[in-house]
Amino acid sequence: DIQMTQSPSSLSASVGDRVTITCRASQGISNSLAWYQQKAGKAPKLLLYGASRLESGVPSRFSGSGSGTDYTLTISSLQPEDFATYYCQQYYSTPWTFGQGTKVEIK
Amino acid sequence: EVQLLESGGGLEQPGGSLRLSCAASGFSFSSYAMNWVRQAPGKGLEWVSGISGSGGSTYYADSVKGRFTISRDNSKNTQHLQMNSLRAEDTAVYYCAKKTRGTNWYFDLWGRGTLVTVSS
Repeated sequence: DIQMTQSPSSLSASVGDRVTITCRASQGISNSLAWYQQKAGKAPKLLLYGASRLESGVPSRFSGSGSGTDYTLTISSLQPEDFATYYCQQYYSTPWTFGQGTKVEIK
Repeated sequence: EVQLLESGGGLEQPGGSLRLSCAASGFSFSSYAMNWVRQAPGKGLEWVSGISGSGGSTYYADSVKGRFTISRDNSKNTQHLQMNSLRAEDTAVYYCAKKTRGTNWYFDLWGRGTLVTVSS
């Protein structure tokens, strides 16, 4: 199975800050990576796929990059509604696996 | 409205069985593979099982293989997860998730989830 490791596990940031979350795969996944946002008590929501492609309706302050085993999610200017937990997911090979999550909290 | 609605969760004893259901609406159900993803209390996401649009192909995580069975009824726009030989570690919120169009297995629509608690 491909292991997905996110860092940091949590972070504190202020509105307007630039935030970067890293996701590392245990082997190369050829950009087969999605990012999800999950707010407390809610279902996950797809943000990006293909490592850098924005899902329809997702604000452009969210962006993704990376290749091989290392990927990042960036929020260019954190908004109040962005405080949530973020997960990466590889779909390069089954079983599809998720990172452990990064909780973005208000500073 | 495009949505998924899970049902069937509850409290069950270890060794028991539960059957989860997911009702889909607002899209061509039979055209998409469907999945179950679970989240244990305070933990991350774990993909559990998937099924192709026709129902002819099924996939399972090792943690549930041989105990859980995924199925679908395209005439009723529903999918199911039959969970047998339940264990305490199966306690989680179970989400129904729609796979995106094409060959890539990421999930572009999720339900609100149903809680399964396995405890004596």
